[in-house]
Amino acid sequence: GNSVTQMEGPVTLSEEAFLTINCTYTATGYPSLFWYVQYPGEGLQLLLKATKADDKGSNKGFEATYRKETTSFHLEKGSVQVSDSAVYFCALTLQKGAQKLVFGQGTRLTINP
Amino acid sequence: KAGVTQTPRYLIKTRGQQVTLSCSPISGHRSVSWYQQTPGQGLQFLFEYFSETQRNKGNFPGRFSGRQFSNSRSEMNVSTLELGDSALYLCASSWGDRGSDTQYFGPGTRLTVL
Repeated sequence: GNSVTQMEGPVTLSEEAFLTINCTYTATGYPSLFWYVQYPGEGLQLLLKATKADDKGSNKGFEATYRKETTSFHLEKGSVQVSDSAVYFCALTLQKGAQKLVFGQGTRLTINP
Repeated sequence: KAGVTQTPRYLIKTRGQQVTLSCSPISGHRSVSWYQQTPGQGLQFLFEYFSETQRNKGNFPGRFSGRQFSNSRSEMNVSTLELGDSALYLCASSWGDRGSDTQYFGPGTRLTVL
C-alpha cells in the first residue's frame, strides 16, 4: 500500500538553527509529494510540493527535493524562526485520478527564542 | 479569492445523534475531499467528490456519508454518533482531479461527541 513515514517528534530547536525533518514514502505508483503545515487551531496550509523526481519545492525559506532513488522528501530550512513553530505533515497522492492525500504522522516543531 | 469555508466551526453532540457538516470550496474548484484528524489516528481520508460524483472513499463505516452539489459545495453526514467520532473534520478543495493538483484546506469543524 501507500504510506508516509516522518521522523519522530517533537523537535525543539533554538532560533536560527538548521532544520531537517525526514520523510520517506512507499507508493505503488508515481506519487506527488507535499509538505503541509498546521498552526494551532487552524487547518492545513500547503508549504511546498514536488510532482516528479529531482524536483525541488521551496517556499518561505523551506526546501524539499523529491528523491526517487531513496523514496524521500526531507524538509529543510537554513535558519528557523519562532514563527515556524507548528506541526508539519508530509503527504503523497498518486498521480492519476486520485485526490486522496496519504499523510505521515506529523512532526511538532517548537522554536525557542 | 475567498478560501475554503466550513460550518459550523464547533459542534457538540451526544452518542446516537447524527450530524451534518458543510464545506464551501474555493470558487471554481470542482473537487472536494474530506479528512478526519484525531490525536490517535492522525489524518485519515474520508472521501472525495468531483463534479457531484464520489470518486474515492476511505476505510470508514457506512455511518459516514457525503454528497456534493452542483455548485461544488459539499456536506458530510455522520449518523449514530459514537464517542470515537470526536475529531477535527477537514475539508479540502482543488481545481482539478489530478493527484498533483494542490488541495487547499478549510479551518475544520471540531466535533465533540459526549
